[in-house]
Amino acid sequence: EDKVVQSPLSLVVHEGDTVTLNCSYEVTNFRSLLWYKQEKKAPTFLFMLTSSGIEKKSGRLSSILDKKELFSILNITATQTGDSAVYLCVVNSGGYQKVTFGTGTKLQVIP
Amino acid sequence: DAGITQSPRHKVTETGTPVTLRCHQTENHRYMYWYRQDPGHGLRLIHYSYGVKDTDKGEVSDGYSVSRSKTEDFLLTLESATSSQTSVYFCAIKVGPSGYEQYFGPGTRLTVT
Repeated sequence: EDKVVQSPLSLVVHEGDTVTLNCSYEVTNFRSLLWYKQEKKAPTFLFMLTSSGIEKKSGRLSSILDKKELFSILNITATQTGDSAVYLCVVNSGGYQKVTFGTGTKLQVIP
Repeated sequence: DAGITQSPRHKVTETGTPVTLRCHQTENHRYMYWYRQDPGHGLRLIHYSYGVKDTDKGEVSDGYSVSRSKTEDFLLTLESATSSQTSVYFCAIKVGPSGYEQYFGPGTRLTVT
């Protein structure tokens, strides 16, 4: 059975801190790993990673994939209160329909 | 904006009644998905569609059926709602050049009493 595990489950940081969110996976026929941000509504896409060691970056957010050790990290630098959300890690394996979601990391950024 | 809407956005229904949720997209995407999201479980795939009249089951399909008679509409039906189907339901479509990125609708909060 495919599995995606995120850690920590939740964390609280102060504005300006840097955070690292973790995602480990065990799937057959890995294709891609995606990160989503979910506030009080639908998840919104952040990054898609398919190759090891290539960092994806968007503003203060960055992510990298290690296909040998089967994990990805999502970094957020200089956190802001608007970063407060649940961050979801999703792994595609097999065909288009095979997606496995992690349960998410709930991040709270306090002023 | 991938132009995906869900209706209704909120619904309260009684156990044993049929319920249909609608997902509508405006951009002719081939793949559409229904998920449910529950605390402690993340999002779980109920059913998906890979074209008109082409659908298949996901990991939690028991108690649900779907239909797709037009490219733009994907319907999820609970034939006889149960309290265990109280959840938030998200519809999604495949977008992006790789075909793996999903764009989610706003969600439907369903409560079965």
